[in-house]
Amino acid sequence: GAVVSQHPSWVICKSGTSVKIECRSLDFQATTMFWYRQFPKQSLMLMATSNEGSKATYEQGVEKDKFLINHASLTLSTLTVTSAHPEDSSFYICSARGLAGEYQETQYFGPGTRLLVL
Amino acid sequence: KQEVTQIPAALSVPEGENLVLNCSFTDSAIYNLQWFRQDPGKGLTSLLLIQSSQREQTSGRLNASLDKSSGRSTLYIAASQPGDSATYLCAVIGNTPLVFGKGTRLSVIA
Repeated sequence: GAVVSQHPSWVICKSGTSVKIECRSLDFQATTMFWYRQFPKQSLMLMATSNEGSKATYEQGVEKDKFLINHASLTLSTLTVTSAHPEDSSFYICSARGLAGEYQETQYFGPGTRLLVL
Repeated sequence: KQEVTQIPAALSVPEGENLVLNCSFTDSAIYNLQWFRQDPGKGLTSLLLIQSSQREQTSGRLNASLDKSSGRSTLYIAASQPGDSATYLCAVIGNTPLVFGKGTRLSVIA
């Protein structure tokens, strides 16, 4: 099956710093990547959708200037949490969807990145 | 807008029981439906994927059914074990990104 990796898996940072999370599709080309956020004991909520080479589409209530998404290639998307604050502490999961066939009709998930902002 | 609902929100059963988790969705125009498992503090583990043209999928003690026309799916777990304790998430994908239900938190008591 398709593999999606995320790096780092854990990050602890001070309030006010920026954190970059990478998401890679390892064995398929991901035309679309999705970023989800999950707060404790809640379900996954979609933050934004990004298509390769174009600007991301953000869900209502998600600040695009705070959560910068770059999808520069068909295998890599990055999420940068700028000027992170404690309320940004969460579990961030990326997902990738491919060009055609099975890879188009299914989203493949990374293992997630746990962010703790002190 | 697609909405996914899971019932019950939490379930506690003694070991060995068979159990059913329910999922419903509002828009039947889906490509597929997936059931995931999530352990506390961990990522998602895909359990079963049912294509929109299929009615069920089986993997070991798990059986998932799909009735697209009525917007329902069930996940049947046979002979439950303490190791099955986790949150089970149902999600559907169509022309929009994958939409998750809020999950059912399952506890299997030894």
